[in-house]
Amino acid sequence: GAGVSQSPRYKVAKRGQDVALRCDPISGHVSLFWYQQALGQGPEFLTYFQNEAQLDKSGLPSDRFFAERPEGSVSTLKIQRTQQEDSAVYLCASSLAAGSMQPQHFGDGTRLSIL
Amino acid sequence: QKEVEQNSGPLSVPEGAIASLNCTYSDRGSQSFFWYRQYSGKSPELIMFIYSNGDKEDGRFTAQLNKASQYVSLLIRDSQPSDSATYLCALNQNQAGTALIFGKGTTLSVSS
Repeated sequence: GAGVSQSPRYKVAKRGQDVALRCDPISGHVSLFWYQQALGQGPEFLTYFQNEAQLDKSGLPSDRFFAERPEGSVSTLKIQRTQQEDSAVYLCASSLAAGSMQPQHFGDGTRLSIL
Repeated sequence: QKEVEQNSGPLSVPEGAIASLNCTYSDRGSQSFFWYRQYSGKSPELIMFIYSNGDKEDGRFTAQLNKASQYVSLLIRDSQPSDSATYLCALNQNQAGTALIFGKGTTLSVSS
Protein backbone atom coordinates (compact mmCIF):
# COMPACT_ATOMS: atom_id res chain seq x y z
CA GLY A 1 0.00 0.00 0.00
CA ALA A 2 0.96 3.64 -0.22
CA GLY A 3 1.48 4.05 3.50
CA VAL A 4 1.33 2.31 6.83
CA SER A 5 -2.25 1.34 7.58
CA GLN A 6 -3.57 0.77 11.08
CA SER A 7 -6.94 -0.46 12.27
CA PRO A 8 -9.11 0.28 14.03
CA ARG A 9 -8.56 4.04 14.20
CA TYR A 10 -10.41 4.19 17.51
CA LYS A 11 -11.04 1.49 20.07
CA VAL A 12 -12.99 1.76 23.28
CA ALA A 13 -12.84 -1.15 25.70
CA LYS A 14 -13.84 -1.84 29.26
CA ARG A 15 -11.14 -2.46 31.83
CA GLY A 16 -10.21 -6.12 31.82
CA GLN A 17 -11.08 -6.78 28.18
CA ASP A 18 -8.54 -7.95 25.63
CA VAL A 19 -7.86 -5.84 22.53
CA ALA A 20 -6.03 -6.45 19.25
CA LEU A 21 -4.57 -3.70 17.11
CA ARG A 22 -3.53 -4.29 13.51
CA CYS A 23 -0.73 -2.79 11.44
CA ASP A 24 -0.20 -3.23 7.71
CA PRO A 25 3.23 -1.80 6.84
CA ILE A 26 4.39 -0.31 3.57
CA SER A 27 4.77 -3.12 1.06
CA GLY A 28 8.29 -4.54 1.05
CA HIS A 29 9.35 -2.93 4.31
CA VAL A 30 11.46 -5.30 6.34
CA SER A 31 11.36 -3.53 9.69
CA LEU A 32 8.24 -2.88 11.74
CA PHE A 33 7.97 -0.97 15.01
CA TRP A 34 5.26 -0.34 17.59
CA TYR A 35 5.21 2.80 19.72
CA GLN A 36 2.91 4.11 22.44
CA GLN A 37 2.14 7.82 22.60
CA ALA A 38 0.53 9.38 25.65
CA LEU A 39 -1.11 12.79 25.42
CA GLY A 40 1.46 15.58 25.23
CA GLN A 41 4.39 13.17 24.99
CA GLY A 42 6.60 11.84 22.23
CA PRO A 43 6.13 8.26 21.08
CA GLU A 44 7.77 5.59 23.23
CA PHE A 45 9.18 2.41 21.74
CA LEU A 46 7.43 -0.87 22.46
CA THR A 47 8.81 -3.53 20.13
CA TYR A 48 10.61 -4.18 16.82
CA PHE A 49 10.37 -6.85 14.14
CA GLN A 50 12.74 -7.63 11.32
CA ASN A 51 10.64 -9.69 8.95
CA GLU A 52 8.85 -12.21 11.21
CA ALA A 53 11.48 -12.14 13.96
CA GLN A 54 10.80 -10.04 17.04
CA LEU A 55 14.29 -8.76 17.75
CA ASP A 56 13.55 -6.27 20.50
CA LYS A 57 10.63 -6.23 22.92
CA SER A 58 12.34 -4.27 25.65
CA GLY A 59 9.72 -1.49 25.59
CA LEU A 60 6.68 -3.67 26.26
CA PRO A 61 5.43 -2.40 29.66
CA SER A 62 4.17 -5.72 31.00
CA ASP A 63 3.51 -9.31 30.05
CA ARG A 64 -0.04 -8.27 29.19
CA PHE A 65 1.38 -6.85 25.96
CA PHE A 66 2.14 -9.22 23.12
CA ALA A 67 3.03 -8.58 19.48
CA GLU A 68 3.41 -10.85 16.49
CA ARG A 69 4.21 -10.67 12.81
CA PRO A 70 3.88 -14.29 11.71
CA GLU A 71 4.43 -13.89 7.96
CA GLY A 72 6.71 -10.89 8.02
CA SER A 73 4.10 -8.40 6.83
CA VAL A 74 0.99 -7.60 8.90
CA SER A 75 1.54 -7.25 12.63
CA THR A 76 -0.85 -7.42 15.57
CA LEU A 77 -0.35 -5.86 18.98
CA LYS A 78 -2.48 -7.56 21.63
CA ILE A 79 -3.16 -6.21 25.08
CA GLN A 80 -4.70 -8.60 27.58
CA ARG A 81 -6.72 -7.62 30.65
CA THR A 82 -6.57 -3.94 29.73
CA GLN A 83 -6.03 -1.30 32.41
CA GLN A 84 -6.85 2.41 32.34
CA GLU A 85 -3.16 3.28 32.06
CA ASP A 86 -3.12 1.48 28.70
CA SER A 87 -5.16 4.35 27.23
CA ALA A 88 -2.95 5.97 24.59
CA VAL A 89 -2.37 6.19 20.87
CA TYR A 90 -0.58 3.14 19.52
CA LEU A 91 1.55 3.92 16.49
CA CYS A 92 3.02 1.49 14.03
CA ALA A 93 6.00 2.41 11.84
CA SER A 94 7.92 0.61 9.13
CA SER A 95 11.22 1.08 7.37
CA LEU A 96 12.58 -0.37 4.16
CA ALA A 97 15.55 -2.10 5.76
CA ALA A 98 17.23 -2.57 9.09
CA GLY A 99 19.78 -0.09 10.37
CA SER A 100 20.00 3.30 12.00
CA MET A 101 20.07 5.20 8.71
CA GLN A 102 16.61 4.02 7.70
CA PRO A 103 13.81 6.53 8.27
CA GLN A 104 10.71 5.15 9.91
CA HIS A 105 7.31 5.96 8.40
CA PHE A 106 4.32 6.05 10.71
CA GLY A 107 0.71 5.05 10.38
CA ASP A 108 -2.17 7.17 11.69
CA GLY A 109 -2.34 5.15 14.89
CA THR A 110 -5.05 3.52 16.95
CA ARG A 111 -6.46 5.65 19.75
CA LEU A 112 -7.27 3.25 22.59
CA SER A 113 -9.53 4.33 25.43
CA ILE A 114 -10.04 2.05 28.43
CA LEU A 115 -13.13 2.80 30.50
CA GLN B 1 18.47 13.82 32.45
CA LYS B 2 16.13 12.72 29.71
CA GLU B 3 17.79 11.27 26.66
CA VAL B 4 16.27 13.78 24.25
CA GLU B 5 15.35 17.25 25.46
CA GLN B 6 13.14 19.73 23.66
CA ASN B 7 11.55 22.96 24.81
CA SER B 8 7.82 22.21 24.80
CA GLY B 9 6.96 25.76 23.73
CA PRO B 10 4.77 27.09 22.36
CA LEU B 11 7.14 28.83 20.02
CA SER B 12 5.28 31.65 18.33
CA VAL B 13 6.57 33.30 15.14
CA PRO B 14 4.92 35.60 12.61
CA GLU B 15 4.28 34.42 9.08
CA GLY B 16 7.38 34.76 6.92
CA ALA B 17 9.83 34.59 9.82
CA ILE B 18 12.42 31.89 10.54
CA ALA B 19 11.41 29.35 13.19
CA SER B 20 14.28 27.72 15.07
CA LEU B 21 13.62 24.45 16.90
CA ASN B 22 16.29 22.94 19.12
CA CYS B 23 16.99 19.54 20.57
CA THR B 24 19.77 18.25 22.85
CA TYR B 25 20.63 14.66 23.59
CA SER B 26 22.65 12.85 26.21
CA ASP B 27 24.12 9.80 24.43
CA ARG B 28 27.29 10.70 22.54
CA GLY B 29 27.04 7.44 20.62
CA SER B 30 23.81 8.45 18.90
CA GLN B 31 24.02 7.70 15.20
CA SER B 32 21.21 9.36 13.32
CA PHE B 33 18.72 12.12 13.94
CA PHE B 34 15.23 12.74 12.66
CA TRP B 35 12.71 15.56 12.73
CA TYR B 36 9.04 14.66 12.57
CA ARG B 37 6.07 17.01 12.27
CA GLN B 38 2.86 16.00 14.02
CA TYR B 39 -0.44 17.79 13.54
CA SER B 40 -2.97 17.38 16.32
CA GLY B 41 -4.60 13.96 16.12
CA LYS B 42 -2.38 12.85 13.26
CA SER B 43 0.65 10.60 12.93
CA PRO B 44 4.26 11.84 12.96
CA GLU B 45 5.40 12.80 9.46
CA LEU B 46 9.11 12.65 8.59
CA ILE B 47 10.49 16.09 7.69
CA MET B 48 14.26 15.69 7.72
CA PHE B 49 16.98 13.29 8.75
CA ILE B 50 20.67 13.99 9.30
CA TYR B 51 23.63 11.77 10.10
CA SER B 52 26.73 13.95 9.70
CA ASN B 53 27.87 17.12 11.40
CA GLY B 54 26.87 20.29 9.61
CA ASP B 55 23.82 21.49 7.75
CA LYS B 56 21.38 19.69 5.50
CA GLU B 57 18.87 21.70 3.49
CA ASP B 58 15.60 20.60 1.90
CA GLY B 59 13.39 23.36 0.58
CA ARG B 60 12.42 25.67 3.44
CA PHE B 61 13.86 23.28 6.01
CA THR B 62 17.45 23.08 7.28
CA ALA B 63 18.63 20.53 9.82
CA GLN B 64 21.81 21.26 11.74
CA LEU B 65 23.82 18.69 13.69
CA ASN B 66 26.65 19.30 16.12
CA LYS B 67 27.76 16.02 17.67
CA ALA B 68 30.45 17.61 19.83
CA SER B 69 27.87 19.81 21.53
CA GLN B 70 25.17 17.13 21.31
CA TYR B 71 22.49 19.21 19.71
CA VAL B 72 20.42 19.09 16.59
CA SER B 73 18.21 21.87 15.31
CA LEU B 74 15.60 22.49 12.64
CA LEU B 75 15.21 25.83 10.91
CA ILE B 76 12.05 26.63 9.00
CA ARG B 77 12.40 29.60 6.66
CA ASP B 78 9.45 31.68 5.46
CA SER B 79 7.20 30.11 8.09
CA GLN B 80 3.59 29.57 7.06
CA PRO B 81 0.47 29.10 9.22
CA SER B 82 0.34 25.54 7.84
CA ASP B 83 3.66 24.88 9.61
CA SER B 84 1.85 25.19 12.95
CA ALA B 85 2.27 21.77 14.53
CA THR B 86 4.32 19.87 17.08
CA TYR B 87 7.87 19.07 15.95
CA LEU B 88 9.40 15.91 17.37
CA CYS B 89 13.13 15.33 17.55
CA ALA B 90 14.16 11.65 17.47
CA LEU B 91 17.39 9.71 17.35
CA ASN B 92 18.77 6.22 16.93
CA GLN B 93 21.34 5.33 19.55
CA ASN B 94 23.02 2.45 17.80
CA GLN B 95 23.86 1.11 14.38
CA ALA B 96 21.30 -1.65 14.69
CA GLY B 97 18.74 1.10 14.42
CA THR B 98 15.95 -0.35 16.43
CA ALA B 99 14.18 2.05 18.75
CA LEU B 100 13.79 5.72 17.94
CA ILE B 101 14.09 7.79 21.09
CA PHE B 102 11.79 10.82 20.91
CA GLY B 103 11.70 14.12 22.70
CA LYS B 104 8.39 15.49 23.97
CA GLY B 105 8.11 17.81 21.01
CA THR B 106 7.99 21.57 20.52
CA THR B 107 4.71 23.20 19.58
CA LEU B 108 5.13 25.81 16.85
CA SER B 109 2.48 28.46 16.19
CA VAL B 110 2.80 30.62 13.08
CA SER B 111 0.50 33.61 13.07
CA SER B 112 -0.74 35.25 9.88
